[in-house]
Amino acid sequence: GAVVSQHPSRVICKSGTSVKIECRSLDFQATTMFWYRQFPKKSLMLMATSNEGSKATYEQGVEKDKFLINHASLTLSTLTVTSAHPEDSSFYICSARPRAYEQYFGPGTRLTVT
Amino acid sequence: QKEVEQDPGPLSVPEGAIVSLNCTYSNSAFQYFMWYRQYSRKGPELLMYTYSSGNKEDGRFTAQVDKSSKYISLFIRDSQPSDSATYLCAMSAGGSYIPTFGRGTSLIVHP
Repeated sequence: GAVVSQHPSRVICKSGTSVKIECRSLDFQATTMFWYRQFPKKSLMLMATSNEGSKATYEQGVEKDKFLINHASLTLSTLTVTSAHPEDSSFYICSARPRAYEQYFGPGTRLTVT
Repeated sequence: QKEVEQDPGPLSVPEGAIVSLNCTYSNSAFQYFMWYRQYSRKGPELLMYTYSSGNKEDGRFTAQVDKSSKYISLFIRDSQPSDSATYLCAMSAGGSYIPTFGRGTSLIVHP
């Protein structure tokens, strides 16, 4: 149980285009989902907390107009990187929370902006 | 001082060794303590979580929390090459339960 999927696993896009990443909890409902960014050999950087049916809460320094988050249902959250630039290239990981103190991560999405 | 400190390693051990991974923290409000394993280019996998102080065992893994010292540990017995990964500690307080992660320790178990 407690499986979280992410799609796509890898994406390459051109500078200036937008990319959407999906995060799904497959066998549980998640009122809260999180989006992280991870740089090589660095820890997870929380970008935003997404609650079903309400606006996401962004961490300080994260541009909400650039990283659009939608939590449309209890099993789906999406992250759209708008007008992507090479500096947005990173490993993006989502997680979903079935209970307050448990968090399960997706396999991650490797974004490369050329 | 960061809220959660974790030595990045790498920690290299021979197969069969007992591995000790540790984190220290500064926020006394933390009550929930988690350990995640992350293989290269994959998402973190929840290994164990404990509430407050004490020990918890699951197979070859034992998690220890010492709140008085603000110190948590993960022990891996009979380590295997398949245990080679990055291990991240995470902890959260009540309320939002949003975890704070350590930077991870890279573990290498060589045959």
